[in-house]
Amino acid sequence: NAGVTQTPKFQVLKTGQSMTLQCAQDMNHNSMYWYRQDPGMGLRLIYYSASEGTTDKGEVPNGYNVSRLNKREFSLRLESAAPSQTSVYFCASSETIPHNEQFFGPGTRLTVL
Amino acid sequence: QKEVEQNSGPLSVPEGAIASLNCTYSDRGSQSFFWYRQYSGKSPELIMFIYSNGDKEDGRFTAQLNKASQYVSLLIRDSQPSDSATYLCAVNPFNNAGNMLTFGGGTRLMVKP
Repeated sequence: NAGVTQTPKFQVLKTGQSMTLQCAQDMNHNSMYWYRQDPGMGLRLIYYSASEGTTDKGEVPNGYNVSRLNKREFSLRLESAAPSQTSVYFCASSETIPHNEQFFGPGTRLTVL
Repeated sequence: QKEVEQNSGPLSVPEGAIASLNCTYSDRGSQSFFWYRQYSGKSPELIMFIYSNGDKEDGRFTAQLNKASQYVSLLIRDSQPSDSATYLCAVNPFNNAGNMLTFGGGTRLMVKP
């Protein structure tokens, strides 16, 4: 039972390059989330998927797209990376009933040069 | 004004003492409250959640909730150097169509041997 897994662990991109961050969970959770964490800014929600087949914007969605591929997998895509997207990205999942405890993956550390 | 407020610290306590971490929130209708521990370079790990007024104990950890005063706290008894980490408070707001959590900025705890 791996919980939430993310790939890759580290990535360096040049400005303008694209990439996809992958996330998978084996807890049969309905909801999945993508956060970014920056020093002094805390955790900020980028996008979430309340259930398979739905996605919605969070607090900071600009520059990102997401795909809920199936119940297990939720990917985050940067179409044209910018230095402002240098951050640590966390995927999380939850079973929202009854209390929405979210469980986090190990994170992806992304640097955009 | 941020919706979830925490003192950034660092909060320094000697080994064996009680560490008291506090969090206030602005949404009076918030439903559930979570404490996450995050070691440097790692992902947030859920350690406690509470949804009813009063205390909830789990080993050395006690979460306290006071909805009338809109605060939630985490007490760590017999603090150990391994408890040194950043503690994140998260709140499940009342008007939450997407099951999102709102995170505070975290309090850094240092337990000195």
